Amino acid sequence: GESVGLHLPTLSVQEGDNSIINCAYSNSASDYFIWYKQESGKGPQFIIDIRSNMDKRQGQRVTVLLNKTVKHLSLQIAATQPGDSAVYFCAEILRNTPLVFGKGTRLSVIA
Amino acid sequence: NAGVTQTPKFRILKIGQSMTLQCTQDMNHNYMYWYRQDPGMGLKLIYYSVGAGITDKGEVPNGYNVSRSTTEDFPLRLELAAPSQTSVYFCASTEGKGATFFGQGTRLTVV
Repeated sequence: GESVGLHLPTLSVQEGDNSIINCAYSNSASDYFIWYKQESGKGPQFIIDIRSNMDKRQGQRVTVLLNKTVKHLSLQIAATQPGDSAVYFCAEILRNTPLVFGKGTRLSVIA
Repeated sequence: NAGVTQTPKFRILKIGQSMTLQCTQDMNHNYMYWYRQDPGMGLKLIYYSVGAGITDKGEVPNGYNVSRSTTEDFPLRLELAAPSQTSVYFCASTEGKGATFFGQGTRLTVV
């Protein structure tokens, strides 16, 4: 079965609100995690990454939190905009082995 | 800088036909991957390569073959196409830890 999964398949948020997308992973040895955004008809696009020796990393309007105790990863998007509507995937890497992707969460932004 | 380029963008194959999906990257990345994405699903790894001359099977390699004669190119070969191979195919590359860059995808329909 998949070692990376997502709690919610769809998420609807009001424009301007914050979004939180969650991801669970099962391989405690994974040492690197990435969040991707995939818009309709396009390939996945890198958003932000985090190494296993960190518990938080911030980018522009996005924050990734890593809780190794419960093997949980989250992506927070501040002031969600219509352009944030997409499917979001988390992925894990163990020592340069290929990315393992979860099924994804579809984020819909309500104007 | 073109990144990862896939051709063709669309293709319709008849059952039993063969074709090669082309992928090239200009970032001098050692790691290259082929994924397939079925509707509403995440990405599944078909094959990957950690450098020229080296390839390995991923999660769903049956019905496909790859080669990596150069750093830049990683073609995916479909022999005896089957309806189950109808999918969107993504090629990706990375230097290792860090962002993985994806092509725009090849939408394949087998009829």
